Amino acid sequence: NAGVTQTPKFRVLKTGQSMTLLCAQDMNHEYMYWYRQDPGMGLRLIHYSVGEGTTAKGEVPDGYNVSRLKKQNFLLGLESAAPSQTSVYFCASSYSGLAGDEQFFGPGTRLTVL
Amino acid sequence: GDSVTQMEGPVTLSEEAFLTINCTYTATGYPSLFWYVQYPGEGLQLLLKATKADDKGSNKGFEATYRKETTSFHLEKGSVQVSDSAVYFCALSDRANQGAQKLVFGQGTRLTINP
Repeated sequence: NAGVTQTPKFRVLKTGQSMTLLCAQDMNHEYMYWYRQDPGMGLRLIHYSVGEGTTAKGEVPDGYNVSRLKKQNFLLGLESAAPSQTSVYFCASSYSGLAGDEQFFGPGTRLTVL
Repeated sequence: GDSVTQMEGPVTLSEEAFLTINCTYTATGYPSLFWYVQYPGEGLQLLLKATKADDKGSNKGFEATYRKETTSFHLEKGSVQVSDSAVYFCALSDRANQGAQKLVFGQGTRLTINP
């Protein structure tokens, strides 16, 4: 049982390049989330999904797109990377959308945009 | 909107010292409250939670009580260990549109315990 995994662990991009971050979970969770973590700001929600084939915007969605074609995978795309997107990206999943439910986090992807 | 404020770090203590990390929140409804911990090089993991007023969450010697009257959820531990060195995040849970849980995090407090 691997939990939540993220690929890649590190990536360096040049401004304007594109990339996709992959998140996979093996816990059969319906809900999945993408966050970014910046120094002194905690984690902020980018996009989330309430089930296969669904996506929705979070707090900071601009410059990102997501897809949930399979229940176990949640992809985060950057079409044209900008230096402001330099951050650590975390994926998370939860069994339900209840307020008291635990979210399970992946190990993170450190992205640098030059 | 909802927000979480926690004490700024970094916090450095000696082993066996008493720990308090303050956390206060602003929310329109009745949120659930969480403490997540991030060990070096890892993702966040749930430390403890409380889902209603006056509930006490506890785990690994850590405790926090949901205080609605003071809108607080302070983290405490009576005797810290070197292995407790990590970044601690206070968070509250709201329900976003479409029914998904929405976590709002504080800025995190880095804790270092010296032997």
